[in-house]
Amino acid sequence: EDQVTQSPEALRLQEGESSSLNCSYTVSGLRGLFWYRQDPGKGPEFLFTLYSAGEEKEKERLKATLTKKESFLHITAPKPEDSATYLCAVQAAGGGDKIIFGKGTRLHILP
Amino acid sequence: ETGVTQSPTHLIKTRGQQVTLRCSSQSGHNTVSWYQQALGQGPQFIFQYYREEENGRGNFPPRFSGLQFPNYSSELNVNALELDDSALYLCASSLGTSKETQYFGPGTRLLVL
Repeated sequence: EDQVTQSPEALRLQEGESSSLNCSYTVSGLRGLFWYRQDPGKGPEFLFTLYSAGEEKEKERLKATLTKKESFLHITAPKPEDSATYLCAVQAAGGGDKIIFGKGTRLHILP
Repeated sequence: ETGVTQSPTHLIKTRGQQVTLRCSSQSGHNTVSWYQQALGQGPQFIFQYYREEENGRGNFPPRFSGLQFPNYSSELNVNALELDDSALYLCASSLGTSKETQYFGPGTRLLVL
């Protein structure tokens, strides 16, 4: 069964303290892995798509990487405005257009 | 360019009732997907509509149904509401069925009592 597991569930960091969020996945053939940011009371906001192992993408203080079993979202020198829930999702090769989300990591950056 | 909008923002229903949620897709988008997000969980895929036809469905019973209109707006209908249907319902629109850049609306928060 296709599955996505995110860790940790919650993370508190001081402003400027870099860290990484993990997304482990098991799918029967990966079509794409997605990262989203979700603020309280809002819908998810698209950040990145990764397609193959070794791929990396960056946007401001965020960098997403992909291996055959997991993806990392690295946050460098975070600011309080980076506080949000970060969601990982995968689209399986044989799953049509369905995507499977993890439960997310709640990130809180303290000023 | 307008974003994805959903109505209503909040809704309270009682068990056994029926509900209709609405979604207006982003201008130029022809695909709408619906998701259910329970508190503390990630979104779960309900189904997708492409050019007015359902073309993908998650593990949700038939009492969850939908429509897409010629202007690509969409409705989610849920019959015989159960307490576990309480959740945030999200719609997302995209151009084509690729999930690479689907844009989510703010959601409708449904509470079933």
